[in-house]
Amino acid sequence: AQTVTQSQPEMSVQEAETVTLSCTYDTSESDYYLFWYKQPPSRQMILVIRQEAYKQQNATENRFSVNFQKAAKSFSLKISDSQLGDAAMYFCALGGSQGNLIFGKGTKLSVKP
Amino acid sequence: EAEVAQSPRYKITEKSQAVAFWCDPISGHATLYWYRQILGQGPELLVQFQDESVVDDSQLPKDRFSAERLKGVDSTLKIQPAELGDSAMYLCASSLDLLGSGANVLTFGAGSRLTVL
Repeated sequence: AQTVTQSQPEMSVQEAETVTLSCTYDTSESDYYLFWYKQPPSRQMILVIRQEAYKQQNATENRFSVNFQKAAKSFSLKISDSQLGDAAMYFCALGGSQGNLIFGKGTKLSVKP
Repeated sequence: EAEVAQSPRYKITEKSQAVAFWCDPISGHATLYWYRQILGQGPELLVQFQDESVVDDSQLPKDRFSAERLKGVDSTLKIQPAELGDSAMYLCASSLDLLGSGANVLTFGAGSRLTVL
């Protein structure tokens, strides 16, 4: 079975600071993708960043980067220079073999001005 | 920018009533997904379509839920009869291709929030 675990229900960060959200996963697939999605309050879920498991280089998208540790099955998201608009639920997701996504329970990020 | 359209955004109903949700995916997206998101939890897949065919409906409570995508474009998710435990956000998503490696980038709609009284 494929599973995704997010152990931090809530996190808080000061504006302009850096925060890291944790995620661990389990899969028996050798080739897979990992994702971070952001869900702002009352708005739709949007893709933040995607990582291909066969690539050793960590993905980066502007202020967002990941720390992908394949052996440890760990996939954390780092947000640098946090902004008020980063406040949202963040979901870690694993690309399933059928093309669907398996989500974790999410981490609620608050950004303090 | 292309979007996944969903309606209604909000639905309040009494238990035992029938409810239906509609989704129009991004034009050209062959794969359509319905997810259920209970408050405070991550989305869980209910059903996945490739064109008009069901790829996975293993988590769909088939005694009360049904889903169709007759022409391989828009889709309807129905609940009959609704129960209190069905209160949740119903999310529709679409993607361009069904890729075996799990590389699909899903685009989500804004969701339909259901409250069952």
